[in-house]
This record gives sequence, structure tokens and C-alpha cells, in this order.
Amino acid sequence: SQTIHQWPATLVQPVGSPLSLECTVEGTSNPNLYWYRQAAGRGLQLLFYSVGIGQISSEVPQNLSASRPQDRQFILSSKKLLLSDSGFYLCAWSVSGSVGQPQHFGDGTRLSIL
Amino acid sequence: AQSVTQPDIHITVSEGASLELRCNYSYGATPYLFWYVQSPGQGLQLLLKYFSGDTLVQGIKGFEAEFKRSQSSFNLRKPSVHWSDAAEYFCAVGFDSASKIIFGSGTRLSIRP
Repeated sequence: SQTIHQWPATLVQPVGSPLSLECTVEGTSNPNLYWYRQAAGRGLQLLFYSVGIGQISSEVPQNLSASRPQDRQFILSSKKLLLSDSGFYLCAWSVSGSVGQPQHFGDGTRLSIL
Repeated sequence: AQSVTQPDIHITVSEGASLELRCNYSYGATPYLFWYVQSPGQGLQLLLKYFSGDTLVQGIKGFEAEFKRSQSSFNLRKPSVHWSDAAEYFCAVGFDSASKIIFGSGTRLSIRP
């Protein structure tokens, strides 16, 4: 069966520091991959999605970037964190090549910026 | 533009009572529809999905949802809620081949003992 892993589960970083959040998927090939941010008490905001290695689409211009160095690895990065980057970050995957596939989520990373 | 609306921000029901969470979407064709549940500090778990066919869909944990094209709705129901159902519920709609999904803003469900 397919599984998705995110780490770390929680992270506290100072303003201006770099960020790297990692997500990996097991048990499937060439998945679509997604990064979302969820502010406290709010819905999900799609940040980036990828349909293949090296293919990244950005949904919202901001202080973050994403990369997909391997088929089942998706990384969310920042060179300098802002206070507004605080939130709950979720990685998700879906089956590629057919419409209407649901997304499957990891357990998330709680990011606090001090 | 496509959109998803969950009109109820917070709902409280008594344990054992029935539940209906509302979801409306805006789109010109038949969308792909999903309901997810999120417990505090956790990721989202898929409850059920509708692609085509029977408009009444059964999901996990005793939930069901009904697609009504005429009302552009996909409401989630459960005949008898349990305290463990307290969580945030998200309706989501998929529209295109890139498998992007638009999520509603969520409905927080509280259970009264």
C-alpha cells in the first residue's frame, strides 16, 4: 500500500533562517505531489504542485520554493523565513494520469516562526 | 470561476443525533467531489468520493454523501454521531486533469455529550 511521510512533525525557527521540509511517498510511481499551507482555523491554501521530476507549478507568489529531485520526493524550502510563514504545512499525493483522483495527505509539519 | 462553499463554520450536535454538513460548488460541468476529515494537529483523511454513477456515496466511519446536480450540492450525512467524530470537515472539488482540488473553508464539528 502507499504511504506518505513528512518530517519534521514540528519545527521552531527564527525569522530570517532557512527552511527545508521534506515529503516522501512510498508504494507508487510518478505521483502528483502537492504542498499546502493551513493557517490556524483556516482552510487549505495550495502552494505548489508537481506532475513529475523537476516540474513545479507555483500557485501563490511568496517567500517559499519547492523542488522535486526524485520521483517520490518533494521538498519545500525558504532562504529566509518571515513571521507570516508560520502555519501547518501539509504534503499530499495523488495518482497521475487520470482525472478525478483524490489526494492523500501526510501528517503535516507545524512551523512556528519566532 | 470554480468555487466550493461550506456555509457552516461551526456546528454542534448531541452525541447520537443525526448530522448533515453542507457543501455547494460552482462549476459548469459535473465535478469530482470529496469529503475529508481532519483531527486536530493531523493531516486530512479521505472519507468518501464521488466520480459518477450512483449519487448516494457511502464512505468510511459510517458517513455518506449525496450529490444533487440540480442544487450543486454534496452534503455529508451521518445518522448517529459519536464523540470521536468531533473534527474539522472539508468538502473538496476536482475539476481538471492535473488533479488539482479546491477545498472549502471547512466546518468544525463539536459533539455535545
